[in-house]
Amino acid sequence: ETGVTQTPRHLVMGMTNKKSLKCEQHLGHNAMYWYKQSAKKPLELMFVYSLEERVENNSVPSRFSPECPNSSHLFLHLHTLQPEDSALYLCASSSRQYSSGNTIYFGEGSWLTVV
Amino acid sequence: AQSVAQPEDQVNVAEGNPLTVKCTYSVSGNPYLFWYVQYPNRGLQFLLKYITGDNLVKGSYGFEAEFNKSQTSFHLKKPSALVSDSALYFCAVRDGDNDMRFGAGTRLTVKP
Repeated sequence: ETGVTQTPRHLVMGMTNKKSLKCEQHLGHNAMYWYKQSAKKPLELMFVYSLEERVENNSVPSRFSPECPNSSHLFLHLHTLQPEDSALYLCASSSRQYSSGNTIYFGEGSWLTVV
Repeated sequence: AQSVAQPEDQVNVAEGNPLTVKCTYSVSGNPYLFWYVQYPNRGLQFLLKYITGDNLVKGSYGFEAEFNKSQTSFHLKKPSALVSDSALYFCAVRDGDNDMRFGAGTRLTVKP
């Protein structure tokens, strides 16, 4: 139990589907993150929310749309994805975004397969 | 700009032997260094971090890491490896207000 819960753990979707990934943190943190993990690639930071405001978007395609309704919940809305978007999507949280010593805690991830 | 490198894609050790997973970093200011472990089909799990103070940091599951400023390294070590230590290990660095930057990962295999 990491304190960061992601659902669903596995998702298979067609390229024309719309789906969402959900993340909930029970750690009282103020910053939440979406990372993408692809095979043989470094972890890619996609989005950062601090105090429910998006503070970073690392040039992620618009087919990925994040939403942070409160400091405990984070969503990643998916639509018209491509097969190359198949990956493990990791949600994470920390007590503050810009504090060097803060540890980032990860969820178990959502495996996404686009067919 | 900050960066982190894990020079080995794969490390193989025999159970009971000491293990080392290497990490080097580059930052403009004071580094904040982290190690994470990822078991199959799981997320990243925090192992330990160096913020300041003693260069030898002890973490979970008997792991430790040594901060070496002159060599800009933060190698992960364990005196006696277990088969259950087999996993993917990530080094990460943060510099000041920058977000955390992760290495590409090193796959550790411990053979019985």
